[in-house]
Amino acid sequence: KNQVEQSPQSLIILEGKNCTLQCNYTVSPFSNLRWYKQDTGRGPVSLTIMTFSENTKSNGRYTATLDADTKQSSLHITASQLSDSASYICVVRGNTGGFKTIFGAGTRLFVKA
Amino acid sequence: EPEVTQTPSHQVTQMGQEVILRCVPISNHLYFYWYRQILGQKVEFLVSFYNNEISEKSEIFDDQFSVERPDGSNFTLKIRSTKLEDSAMYFCASRSYREGGGYTFGSGTRLTVV
Repeated sequence: KNQVEQSPQSLIILEGKNCTLQCNYTVSPFSNLRWYKQDTGRGPVSLTIMTFSENTKSNGRYTATLDADTKQSSLHITASQLSDSASYICVVRGNTGGFKTIFGAGTRLFVKA
Repeated sequence: EPEVTQTPSHQVTQMGQEVILRCVPISNHLYFYWYRQILGQKVEFLVSFYNNEISEKSEIFDDQFSVERPDGSNFTLKIRSTKLEDSAMYFCASRSYREGGGYTFGSGTRLTVV
């Protein structure tokens, strides 16, 4: 069954600290993996897109990694800011004759001053 | 930066009524999507639309739902007879022709069925 599991479910960190969010998936065959940031009551905003040949991709203070062999991805946030408080959603797109897109449940990040 | 625009931002309707949620995708995008997110739950895929027809739909997208691209710019989701459990945020998204292209989501319409 195609699934995307994210951990932790929620996370509280102090402003300025780093954190890493995890995403494990079972979607196969794999097409690409995206990380989105979703502020409360808003639509998701794309942070990174990675294909199977990419191991690392950065977007400012966000760095995503992908291990296609172990089917794991992480999103590292450096020097967190209060505005980073949001849900971070891992989305995996499979290449199964219909390009299934599976959303993870997200990690809710709270950055405190 | 190009945006996906959704209207209205909030819609309250009585159970059994029809609602139409509207979206204006990014102008040069070719793939269009509707998703929903029930409060506190994950985003769920409803339907994808390409070349003026539905290309994929989920089990959620039953006969009560329909989509239309009535002109060159709008993309609508109609719910024929709303139920209480249809209350959710509905997001429209669009994507360019490139498979690696990211989805651009609208800000959503919060539908409340009373």
